[in-house]
Amino acid sequence: GAVVSQHPSRVICKSGTSVKIECRSLDFQATTMFWYRQFPKQSLMLMATSNEGSKATYEQGVEKDKFLINHASLTLSTLTVTSAHPEDSSFYICSAPSGLAGHSSYNEQFFGPGTRLTVL
Amino acid sequence: AQSVTQLDSQVPVFEEAPVELRCNYSSSVSVYLFWYVQYPNQGLQLLLKYLSGSTLVKGINGFEAEFNKSQTSFHLRKPSVHISDTAEYFCAVTPPKGRRALTFGSGTRLQVQP
Repeated sequence: GAVVSQHPSRVICKSGTSVKIECRSLDFQATTMFWYRQFPKQSLMLMATSNEGSKATYEQGVEKDKFLINHASLTLSTLTVTSAHPEDSSFYICSAPSGLAGHSSYNEQFFGPGTRLTVL
Repeated sequence: AQSVTQLDSQVPVFEEAPVELRCNYSSSVSVYLFWYVQYPNQGLQLLLKYLSGSTLVKGINGFEAEFNKSQTSFHLRKPSVHISDTAEYFCAVTPPKGRRALTFGSGTRLQVQP
């Protein structure tokens, strides 16, 4: 199946710094990628939809100036947490849907391994 | 809009016993349904999916699920669990058309005991 990677897998930073997380589709092109956030022992909450060649679409309540998303190419999306604070500490997971419209795999998503962010 | 309810936050079970993890959904449109498994500090792995056709779907690691449209349920089952099945399980839905983001349930922690 399709592979999605994330880098870094774990990052610890000081409050006030910015952190960039990369999400790559390794063997397929993804014009759309999704960014989710998962708090400990909770479910995944969609933060934003990353669109190649256009602006990201953010979910209600997600600060677009806080979480900057750039879909630089058909295989790379980045999430930058700006001026991180301890409450931003979380597990961030990206996913990319694979398959062509009309194909049975169209709605199947492949998830990255996640990035654990800890803000001190 | 869609919503997913996983009724059990934790399910303890003994090894080699059967297990059922419950999932109910709400949607004004038809949806595709998925079950994902998450091991500690890892991403999600697809167990199985229902898109159309037979309501009984089989997935990896011996898991299966049955789609019940009248009850809007998609319960996950395994006839005999192993210690290695201990993980968090998420039920998710997405509409067939439009944005393909998933809506997740709150998750069920399956704890298999020896």
